[in-house]
Amino acid sequence: EADIYQTPRYLVIGTGKKITLECSQTMGHDKMYWYQQDPGMELHLIHYSYGVNSTEKGDLSSESTVSRIRTEHFPLTLESARPSHTSQYLCASSESGELFFGEGSRLTVL
Amino acid sequence: AQSVAQPEDQVNVAEGNPLTVKCTYSVSGNPYLFWYVQYPNRGLQFLLKYITGDNLVKGSYGFEAEFNKSQTSFHLKKPSALVSDSALYFCAVRDHHSNYQLIWGAGTKLIIKP
Repeated sequence: EADIYQTPRYLVIGTGKKITLECSQTMGHDKMYWYQQDPGMELHLIHYSYGVNSTEKGDLSSESTVSRIRTEHFPLTLESARPSHTSQYLCASSESGELFFGEGSRLTVL
Repeated sequence: AQSVAQPEDQVNVAEGNPLTVKCTYSVSGNPYLFWYVQYPNRGLQFLLKYITGDNLVKGSYGFEAEFNKSQTSFHLKKPSALVSDSALYFCAVRDHHSNYQLIWGAGTKLIIKP
């Protein structure tokens, strides 16, 4: 059983609000990832990190930002949410092989 | 360019019948290949992987996949489908020289009918 946790699971907010999606893992993995996924669709990598103080943008352009101050924690922040940000956000971690995913955070921006 | 193709958006199988979900890939070096499953409103769960060795890989929930280098394929199979296997299945590939990024297929929706 993977030990990677995302909060909140579901969030409905208004346009212009600042939000932070939390992701924590207890496996000591150096590599962590954020994916964006519309329901039933493919995954798009938006951010990744190879360790503390390391963050990179992924293949899909995103207005979100991330930080990696501690190994176990990789939060994603939207400074001003818009309806186009409505999606599911999946956090994952890995050591050298397979990815372990959290349950996801489903964001709806009204 | 590296890529992964899942040619079927949806696969329908009767319960008890064998199932196959197709995946083909294109990478510059030797591939690491993965299958993941996603149940509704959940994250992805790892099913199995091929790194090296035996071409037939066994994974979770009775699934297996066969690596075919000449056809650059890694099809997911199960001898007898269960209704509970209904989910979204993703194939992914990484080559030895990449910076640990996975290339993902678009996903295949598997529907098992009673």
